[in-house]
Parts: sequence; C-alpha cells; structure tokens
Amino acid sequence: AQRVTQPEKLLSVFKGAPVELKCNYSYSGSPELFWYVQYSRQRLQLLLRHISRESIKGFTADLNKGETSFHLKKPFAQEEDSAMYYCALRLYGGSQGNLIFGKGTKLSVKP
Amino acid sequence: EAGVTQFPSHSVIEKGQTVTLRCDPISGHDNLYWYRRVMGKEIKFLLHFVKESKQDESGMPNNRFLAERTGGTYSTLKVQPAELEDSGVYFCASSQDLGQGDRTDTQYFGPGTRLTVL
Repeated sequence: AQRVTQPEKLLSVFKGAPVELKCNYSYSGSPELFWYVQYSRQRLQLLLRHISRESIKGFTADLNKGETSFHLKKPFAQEEDSAMYYCALRLYGGSQGNLIFGKGTKLSVKP
Repeated sequence: EAGVTQFPSHSVIEKGQTVTLRCDPISGHDNLYWYRRVMGKEIKFLLHFVKESKQDESGMPNNRFLAERTGGTYSTLKVQPAELEDSGVYFCASSQDLGQGDRTDTQYFGPGTRLTVL
C-alpha cells in the first residue's frame, strides 16, 4: 500500500541553523510529492511540489526516487518557520488526485 | 479571491446525534475533496467529487457518513449517528481540473471543522 513516513514528530532547532525535515514514501509507480505547511491558527497550505522544482521561503526539496525520499531543507531556519509540516503523495491514475499524507513534523525554531 | 470555507468551525455533539458539515470550494473548482485527521493519526482521504459526481469514495469509513454535492457547488458531509471515534478535524479541499486525463491542480484547503463527539 502507498504510504508516507515522516519519522520525526518534533524537530527543534535554533534560529540560523540548517533544518531538514525527512519524508520517505512507498509507491512503485510515478509519484507526485508535496510539502504542505500549517502555521499556528492558519489553514493547511501548499509549500512545495516536486514538479515545480522551485524554492519557497528558502525551502527546497528534491525527489530522490532511488531512496524514495523527498526531504525538505532550509539552510538557515527563521523563527517564522515554526509550524507543522506535512509531506504528501499523489498518485497518477486510479483515484485521480487524492493526497496521502504523512503524520507531520512539528518544527520549532528557537531564538 | 475567497478561499475554501467550512462551516461550522467547531461542533460538539453527543454520541448518537447527527451532524452536518459544509464546505464551499473556491469558485470554478470542479474537484472537491474531504479529508479527516483523527487525534494522533495522519490526515486521511475520505472522498472526492468531480462536480456533483462522486469520483472516489474509497476513504469513507462506513455508511454512517454521507456526502453530497448537489449542483456541483458546495458539499455537505453528514454523520449519522455520530460515534466517539468520529471525533477529529474534517478538512475540505478544492482544485481545478487541468483537463489532462487524471492530472489535477493544487489542492487548496479550508480551515477545517473540529468535531467532538461526547
């Protein structure tokens, strides 16, 4: 079955430190991977999608099909990056679009 | 542009009662999704509408859940009768149809409805 794993429930770093939020997936076909973010008292919003290959708010993520990973990275964390981060997988074909989410990682950036 | 809206934001009901959640998608979005996050678990897909048709309802937990999207605009999700394990946050999301077979655009999420069943 398709699955998304985010091994860390909580990641705490100091401001200015590099951050990497891990995401691994299990799917034998061609996946589409996303990172969604939920800031305090705000709705879930798209941060990155792998097909866009862009950097948003200093975050990047590269799809590694060999390692089935899509880790989210930022070289210098900021306090405003503190939020819940969800990695999600979408399959081509079949269900036509529903997302499969990981359990999320809470990022806390300390001053 | 208004985002996806959901009503109510919170609902507290007793076991056995009925609750109806509403979702208004972004105007022009044919795709509408319902998801649920139960405490301590991941956000899980419930079902997907394309306009007024149910495209995929494989995630619906049981027949106590009924979703409708009459007219292809807003959608309702009714839980009848509610059980304790139905407590959680129910999210709605909508997206455009890219018209490329099974490809769809970015899903935009609503703020969610927190349901508590006592």
